[in-house]
Amino acid sequence: AQKVTQAQTEISVVEKEDVTLDCVYETRDTTYYLFWYKQPPSGELVFLIRRNSFDEQNEISGRYSWNFQKSTSSFNFTITASQVVDSAVYFCALSRDSGYSTLTFGKGTMLLVSP
Amino acid sequence: EAQVTQNPRYLITVTGKKLTVTCSQNMNHEYMSWYRQDPGLGLRQIYYSMNVEVTDKGDVPEGYKVSRKEKRNFPLILESPSPNQTSLYFCASRPMLVGAGELFFGEGSRLTVL
Repeated sequence: AQKVTQAQTEISVVEKEDVTLDCVYETRDTTYYLFWYKQPPSGELVFLIRRNSFDEQNEISGRYSWNFQKSTSSFNFTITASQVVDSAVYFCALSRDSGYSTLTFGKGTMLLVSP
Repeated sequence: EAQVTQNPRYLITVTGKKLTVTCSQNMNHEYMSWYRQDPGLGLRQIYYSMNVEVTDKGDVPEGYKVSRKEKRNFPLILESPSPNQTSLYFCASRPMLVGAGELFFGEGSRLTVL
C-alpha cells in the first residue's frame, strides 16, 4: 500500500522567511511519481511539480525548490522569501509509475504567511 | 480553454434526497476520478475510471455511484445522501500517458447534507 505523510499540520511564518514543508512517503514500488499541489483560500487545486523516482536532482522554480531524497523517502518543498500570497494548503501526493495509477495524497500542510 | 467543469459548485440538500454532481472535461482524457476533501483527512479517492464503461472503487466508495457512458463525462451520484457526506468534492482527469501524469482538477463542489 502507498502512503504519504505530511507531519506538519499547520505552519505560520512572517513574510520573507524561508519555510520547508515536509513530505515522507511509503511505497513498495521501485519506480513511482511524486507531486505537490497548492490549494489557495479560493479552493482550487493547483499543480506545482511532478517528479519521477529516477530523477533525484533537486529542482528550483523561482522561489520554490524541491529536495527529493530517495534514501529517506522524502520529497520536501521549500519556499524562499515567503510572501502573503503563498498562504495556502499544500498537498504532497504519490503515484505508481503507470498511466492507470491513482494519486494518493497526504493530509496537507496549511501555510500561513503574515505580513 | 482546457478545463474540468463541475456542477453544482455549491449545494445544500436534505438526507435521502438523491443528487448528482456532474463532471465534464474537454481534454479527451481517458482517466477521470472523484475525490472528497475533509478537514484533517486530506483528499481521499471515491471512484475512478480508466475509460468509457470502466470504473473502479477508490478508498471511500460507500454511499456513492458513478457512471462513464461518455469519455468526457463522469457524474457522481449520491442515491441517498447522509450528513457524513457533507464535504468538498473534486473531479479530476488526466491522459493515460506512459508514467503517471498530473491530475487536472475541477474547481470543487461544496455539498452540505442536512
